[in-house]
Amino acid sequence: KAGVTQTPRYLIKTRGQQVTLSCSPISGHRSVSWYQQTPGQGLQFLFEYFSETQRNKGNFPGRFSGRQFSNSRSEMNVSTLELGDSALYLCASSLAVAGTNTGELFFGEGSRLTVL
Amino acid sequence: DAKTTQPNSMESNEEEPVHLPCNHSTISGTDYIHWYRQLPSQGPEYVIHGLTSNVNNRMASLAIAEDRKSSTLILHRATLRDAAVYYCIQDYGQNFVFGPGTRLSVLP
Repeated sequence: KAGVTQTPRYLIKTRGQQVTLSCSPISGHRSVSWYQQTPGQGLQFLFEYFSETQRNKGNFPGRFSGRQFSNSRSEMNVSTLELGDSALYLCASSLAVAGTNTGELFFGEGSRLTVL
Repeated sequence: DAKTTQPNSMESNEEEPVHLPCNHSTISGTDYIHWYRQLPSQGPEYVIHGLTSNVNNRMASLAIAEDRKSSTLILHRATLRDAAVYYCIQDYGQNFVFGPGTRLSVLP
């Protein structure tokens, strides 16, 4: 069974540019969530999608956005990049449908973004 | 705001049990407690989760305090491959609040 796949694995951008990151969940998983990991702030929740609908959003500015397609694949976009956006962006998928129990999250290896 | 607190780092000898503590004093009655670990250059990996009762699986055990304000992850016999950052997490339902993590070192 293939795991969560994130592309690209590494990328370098300059301030002001925008970036799109892609995530392919495990087959059959309809929930996809995104996290930002930095040395200073640790792991922070960005947003979660289920069946193409955003169900939860973390405390990030509107420059961070995402979407999910009918095949459950998800993309996140960051516009007008700032130096502080340099981070490892992690995607996770799960079988969870609803309720308070998320169940097991399966994480990808992440996309490492460097903003110069 | 939900917050979990964990020791920054811990050390263990190989083959010995490890008890990793976590405080989650703001937890509500329906929030699950999850533990994940992250090895270098990898995404976090599920370890265990529970609500009220103690839980066991092939990787570890989770002991949850009666008032649910703290929990302890127990690795019964630490191996070198268990060296990682361990995160204690409050589950709000599709929204994980990660703690700062405990970096576990395992000495041969």
